[in-house]
Amino acid sequence: SQTIHQWPATLVQPVGSPLSLECTVEGTSNPNLYWYRQAAGRGLQLLFYSVGIGQISSEVPQNLSASRPQDRQFILSSKKLLLSDSGFYLCAWSRSGYEQYFGPGTRLTVT
Amino acid sequence: DAKTTQPTSMDCAEGRAANLPCNHSTISGNEYVYWYRQIHSQGPQYIIHGLKNNETNEMASLIITEDRKSSTLILPHATLRDTAVYYCIVRVWSVDNFNKFYFGSGTKLNVKP
Repeated sequence: SQTIHQWPATLVQPVGSPLSLECTVEGTSNPNLYWYRQAAGRGLQLLFYSVGIGQISSEVPQNLSASRPQDRQFILSSKKLLLSDSGFYLCAWSRSGYEQYFGPGTRLTVT
Repeated sequence: DAKTTQPTSMDCAEGRAANLPCNHSTISGNEYVYWYRQIHSQGPQYIIHGLKNNETNEMASLIITEDRKSSTLILPHATLRDTAVYYCIVRVWSVDNFNKFYFGSGTKLNVKP
């Protein structure tokens, strides 16, 4: 069966520091991968999606970037965090055209 | 942007059916309706999806109106563990043939004993 992992589970970082969040998927190959952000009390905002290694599409301009160095690895990064980057970051995977499955999420607090 | 509108919150008595409405009046002919739920501080969980026919699985039933402009998710016998935020989503195909999901604010379902 397929499993999706995210780490770390929680993170507290100062403004201006770098960020790296990792997501890995097990049990499937060539998945579509997604990064979402959820601000407190809000719905999910799609940030990035990827159909394959090195192929990244961005939904909204922002302070973040994404990379997919391996088929089942998706990384969310920032060079300098802003206060507004705080939130709950969720990674998801899907087979093309099917439902998405979400990871447990990373709660990021920028201080 | 989300293509759906849902009530902000609803209450339901434990053991009764929970009926969660969703409006998607601008849905296109090939766009599916998906339902997810999110229990506090967890990732969203897939519930059910449909195109134009009613669907049922072990978790819920999905009723889609004939004009496809609205749908209702039915939890037949709500339990306290069904307390969550329920998202109704229209799956959108992008120009690169990639399916994307746009989540709105959802409906907070409160199941009460």
